[in-house]
Amino acid sequence: GAVVSQHPSWVICKSGTSVKIECRSLDFQATTMFWYRQFPKQSLMLMATSNEGSKATYEQGVEKDKFLINHASLTLSTLTVTSAHPEDSSFYICSARDPTGPSTDTQYFGPGTRLTVL
Amino acid sequence: AQTVTQSQPEMSVQEAETVTLSCTYDTSESNYYLFWYKQPPSRQMILVIRQEAYKQQNATENRFSVNFQKAAKSFSLKISDSQLGDTAMYFCAFMKNNNNDMRFGAGTRLTVKP
Repeated sequence: GAVVSQHPSWVICKSGTSVKIECRSLDFQATTMFWYRQFPKQSLMLMATSNEGSKATYEQGVEKDKFLINHASLTLSTLTVTSAHPEDSSFYICSARDPTGPSTDTQYFGPGTRLTVL
Repeated sequence: AQTVTQSQPEMSVQEAETVTLSCTYDTSESNYYLFWYKQPPSRQMILVIRQEAYKQQNATENRFSVNFQKAAKSFSLKISDSQLGDTAMYFCAFMKNNNNDMRFGAGTRLTVKP
Protein backbone atom coordinates (compact mmCIF):
# COMPACT_ATOMS: atom_id res chain seq x y z
CA GLY A 1 0.00 0.00 0.00
CA ALA A 2 0.85 3.73 0.06
CA VAL A 3 2.17 3.96 -3.48
CA VAL A 4 2.81 7.30 -5.10
CA SER A 5 3.45 7.71 -8.80
CA GLN A 6 4.84 10.58 -10.84
CA HIS A 7 4.60 11.36 -14.50
CA PRO A 8 6.67 11.92 -16.51
CA SER A 9 9.80 10.33 -15.10
CA TRP A 10 11.92 12.64 -17.20
CA VAL A 11 11.29 15.59 -19.49
CA ILE A 12 13.40 17.82 -21.68
CA CYS A 13 12.01 21.17 -22.75
CA LYS A 14 13.11 24.39 -24.37
CA SER A 15 13.71 27.52 -22.38
CA GLY A 16 10.55 29.58 -22.05
CA THR A 17 8.10 26.70 -22.23
CA SER A 18 5.98 25.31 -19.40
CA VAL A 19 6.13 21.80 -18.05
CA LYS A 20 3.53 19.97 -15.98
CA ILE A 21 4.42 17.16 -13.59
CA GLU A 22 1.73 14.92 -12.12
CA CYS A 23 1.79 13.24 -8.73
CA ARG A 24 -0.77 10.57 -7.93
CA SER A 25 -1.54 8.53 -4.83
CA LEU A 26 -2.51 5.16 -6.25
CA ASP A 27 -4.08 3.31 -3.36
CA PHE A 28 -5.05 5.98 -0.90
CA GLN A 29 -6.53 9.44 -0.79
CA ALA A 30 -4.10 12.17 0.10
CA THR A 31 -5.46 15.44 1.42
CA THR A 32 -1.91 16.74 1.56
CA MET A 33 0.92 16.27 -0.91
CA PHE A 34 4.38 17.76 -0.96
CA TRP A 35 6.74 18.91 -3.66
CA TYR A 36 10.49 18.74 -3.24
CA ARG A 37 13.42 19.73 -5.36
CA GLN A 38 16.74 17.91 -5.31
CA PHE A 39 19.91 19.17 -6.94
CA PRO A 40 22.65 16.67 -7.82
CA LYS A 41 24.32 15.17 -4.77
CA GLN A 42 22.24 17.32 -2.45
CA SER A 43 19.38 16.78 -0.07
CA LEU A 44 15.68 17.33 -0.65
CA MET A 45 14.37 20.83 -0.26
CA LEU A 46 10.67 21.32 0.37
CA MET A 47 9.15 23.66 -2.18
CA ALA A 48 5.50 23.64 -1.22
CA THR A 49 2.73 21.81 0.54
CA SER A 50 -0.26 21.04 -1.63
CA ASN A 51 -3.66 20.89 0.02
CA GLU A 52 -6.66 19.40 -1.73
CA GLY A 53 -9.21 22.04 -2.57
CA SER A 54 -7.18 24.99 -1.37
CA LYS A 55 -4.12 27.01 -2.26
CA ALA A 56 -0.69 25.54 -1.82
CA THR A 57 1.63 26.76 0.90
CA TYR A 58 5.02 27.73 -0.51
CA GLU A 59 8.34 27.74 1.29
CA GLN A 60 10.24 30.96 1.60
CA GLY A 61 12.13 31.77 -1.57
CA VAL A 62 9.97 29.64 -3.85
CA GLU A 63 8.19 31.67 -6.52
CA LYS A 64 4.55 30.66 -6.49
CA ASP A 65 3.91 32.25 -9.88
CA LYS A 66 6.67 30.17 -11.39
CA PHE A 67 5.86 26.88 -9.72
CA LEU A 68 2.11 26.50 -9.98
CA ILE A 69 0.58 23.79 -7.85
CA ASN A 70 -2.90 22.42 -8.25
CA HIS A 71 -4.44 19.77 -6.00
CA ALA A 72 -7.84 19.33 -7.56
CA SER A 73 -8.59 15.85 -6.27
CA LEU A 74 -7.67 13.61 -3.37
CA THR A 75 -5.37 11.55 -5.55
CA LEU A 76 -3.74 14.08 -7.87
CA SER A 77 -1.49 17.07 -7.46
CA THR A 78 0.26 18.82 -10.32
CA LEU A 79 3.31 21.04 -10.43
CA THR A 80 3.67 23.30 -13.44
CA VAL A 81 7.00 24.97 -14.03
CA THR A 82 6.13 28.06 -16.03
CA SER A 83 8.50 29.75 -18.44
CA ALA A 84 11.19 27.27 -17.56
CA HIS A 85 14.85 28.27 -17.70
CA PRO A 86 18.03 26.20 -17.49
CA GLU A 87 18.39 26.99 -13.79
CA ASP A 88 15.08 25.20 -13.20
CA SER A 89 16.69 21.95 -14.32
CA SER A 90 16.52 19.64 -11.35
CA PHE A 91 15.00 16.49 -9.91
CA TYR A 92 11.48 17.09 -8.63
CA ILE A 93 9.97 14.68 -6.13
CA CYS A 94 6.47 14.57 -4.71
CA SER A 95 5.26 12.82 -1.60
CA ALA A 96 2.00 12.20 0.17
CA ARG A 97 0.75 11.18 3.55
CA ASP A 98 -1.87 8.48 3.98
CA PRO A 99 -4.35 9.88 6.53
CA THR A 100 -5.95 6.49 7.13
CA GLY A 101 -2.80 4.38 7.11
CA PRO A 102 -0.95 2.90 10.10
CA SER A 103 1.54 5.78 10.12
CA THR A 104 -0.24 9.01 9.27
CA ASP A 105 2.94 10.98 9.85
CA THR A 106 4.99 9.12 7.24
CA GLN A 107 5.48 10.61 3.80
CA TYR A 108 5.55 8.21 0.84
CA PHE A 109 7.52 9.41 -2.11
CA GLY A 110 7.05 9.25 -5.83
CA PRO A 111 9.90 8.11 -8.08
CA GLY A 112 10.75 11.65 -9.09
CA THR A 113 10.87 13.61 -12.34
CA ARG A 114 14.09 14.76 -13.93
CA LEU A 115 13.58 18.09 -15.68
CA THR A 116 16.16 19.36 -18.14
CA VAL A 117 15.65 22.79 -19.64
CA LEU A 118 17.72 23.53 -22.72
CA ALA B 1 13.77 26.22 13.03
CA GLN B 2 14.64 22.58 13.15
CA THR B 3 17.94 21.46 11.71
CA VAL B 4 19.14 17.98 10.93
CA THR B 5 22.84 17.19 10.73
CA GLN B 6 24.45 14.17 9.18
CA SER B 7 28.17 14.49 9.77
CA GLN B 8 29.28 11.60 7.56
CA PRO B 9 29.11 12.50 3.85
CA GLU B 10 30.33 9.06 2.82
CA MET B 11 30.79 5.68 4.45
CA SER B 12 31.65 2.21 3.28
CA VAL B 13 31.23 -1.22 4.82
CA GLN B 14 32.08 -4.75 3.85
CA GLU B 15 29.25 -7.04 2.94
CA ALA B 16 27.81 -8.85 6.00
CA GLU B 17 29.36 -6.32 8.38
CA THR B 18 27.57 -3.76 10.54
CA VAL B 19 27.60 -0.02 9.98
CA THR B 20 26.17 2.91 11.92
CA LEU B 21 25.11 6.19 10.34
CA SER B 22 24.86 9.20 12.61
CA CYS B 23 22.25 11.92 12.76
CA THR B 24 21.71 14.75 15.19
CA TYR B 25 18.97 17.30 15.23
CA ASP B 26 18.10 20.51 16.95
CA THR B 27 14.62 21.29 18.21
CA SER B 28 12.78 22.74 21.17
CA GLU B 29 9.79 20.52 20.55
CA SER B 30 8.97 17.58 22.80
CA ASN B 31 6.75 15.67 20.39
CA TYR B 32 8.09 14.86 16.97
CA TYR B 33 8.94 12.09 14.54
CA LEU B 34 12.24 10.95 13.13
CA PHE B 35 12.82 9.01 9.95
CA TRP B 36 15.52 7.36 7.95
CA TYR B 37 14.96 7.25 4.21
CA LYS B 38 17.06 5.42 1.66
CA GLN B 39 17.62 6.73 -1.87
CA PRO B 40 19.26 4.12 -4.13
CA PRO B 41 20.63 4.98 -7.58
CA SER B 42 17.09 4.81 -8.96
CA ARG B 43 16.47 7.92 -6.79
CA GLN B 44 13.24 6.48 -5.38
CA MET B 45 12.98 7.54 -1.74
CA ILE B 46 12.21 4.53 0.44
CA LEU B 47 11.26 4.65 4.10
CA VAL B 48 13.68 2.58 6.15
CA ILE B 49 12.50 3.22 9.68
CA ARG B 50 10.60 5.72 11.79
CA GLN B 51 10.67 6.66 15.45
CA GLU B 52 8.12 8.51 17.54
CA ALA B 53 9.86 10.76 20.03
CA TYR B 54 7.53 9.92 22.90
CA LYS B 55 8.45 6.24 22.62
CA GLN B 56 11.59 5.36 24.52
CA GLN B 57 11.99 2.00 22.85
CA ASN B 58 14.26 2.08 19.82
CA ALA B 59 12.56 1.18 16.55
CA THR B 60 13.71 -1.88 14.63
CA GLU B 61 12.92 -3.19 11.16
CA ASN B 62 14.64 -6.46 10.38
CA ARG B 63 18.33 -5.60 9.84
CA PHE B 64 17.77 -1.91 10.55
CA SER B 65 17.62 -0.44 14.02
CA VAL B 66 18.02 2.97 15.55
CA ASN B 67 19.69 4.32 18.66
CA PHE B 68 17.42 7.17 19.72
CA GLN B 69 18.90 9.37 22.41
CA LYS B 70 16.32 12.07 23.02
CA ALA B 71 18.30 14.07 25.54
CA ALA B 72 21.30 14.14 23.25
CA LYS B 73 19.07 14.74 20.20
CA SER B 74 20.73 11.88 18.41
CA PHE B 75 19.16 9.35 16.05
CA SER B 76 21.65 6.93 14.56
CA LEU B 77 20.86 4.10 12.16
CA LYS B 78 22.50 0.70 12.48
CA ILE B 79 22.50 -1.64 9.54
CA SER B 80 23.39 -5.21 10.41
CA ASP B 81 24.53 -7.90 7.99
CA SER B 82 25.00 -5.29 5.26
CA GLN B 83 23.96 -6.33 1.78
CA LEU B 84 25.03 -5.00 -1.61
CA GLY B 85 21.49 -3.70 -2.09
CA ASP B 86 21.94 -1.42 0.89
CA THR B 87 24.22 0.78 -1.20
CA ALA B 88 22.41 4.12 -1.36
CA MET B 89 22.14 7.62 0.00
CA TYR B 90 20.62 7.65 3.45
CA PHE B 91 18.72 10.69 4.67
CA CYS B 92 17.73 11.41 8.23
CA ALA B 93 14.55 13.47 8.56
CA PHE B 94 12.70 15.30 11.33
CA MET B 95 9.05 16.28 11.53
CA LYS B 96 7.21 18.06 14.29
CA ASN B 97 4.09 16.44 15.64
CA ASN B 98 0.97 17.24 13.63
CA ASN B 99 2.99 19.25 11.20
CA ASN B 100 3.59 18.79 7.49
CA ASP B 101 7.08 20.21 7.57
CA MET B 102 9.68 17.47 7.13
CA ARG B 103 13.34 18.53 7.22
CA PHE B 104 16.08 16.40 5.79
CA GLY B 105 19.75 16.10 6.60
CA ALA B 106 22.38 16.41 3.90
CA GLY B 107 22.62 12.65 3.51
CA THR B 108 25.25 9.95 3.89
CA ARG B 109 26.38 7.98 0.88
CA LEU B 110 26.82 4.35 1.93
CA THR B 111 28.70 1.88 -0.21
CA VAL B 112 28.58 -1.81 0.62
CA LYS B 113 31.64 -3.58 -0.75
CA PRO B 114 31.66 -7.25 -1.73
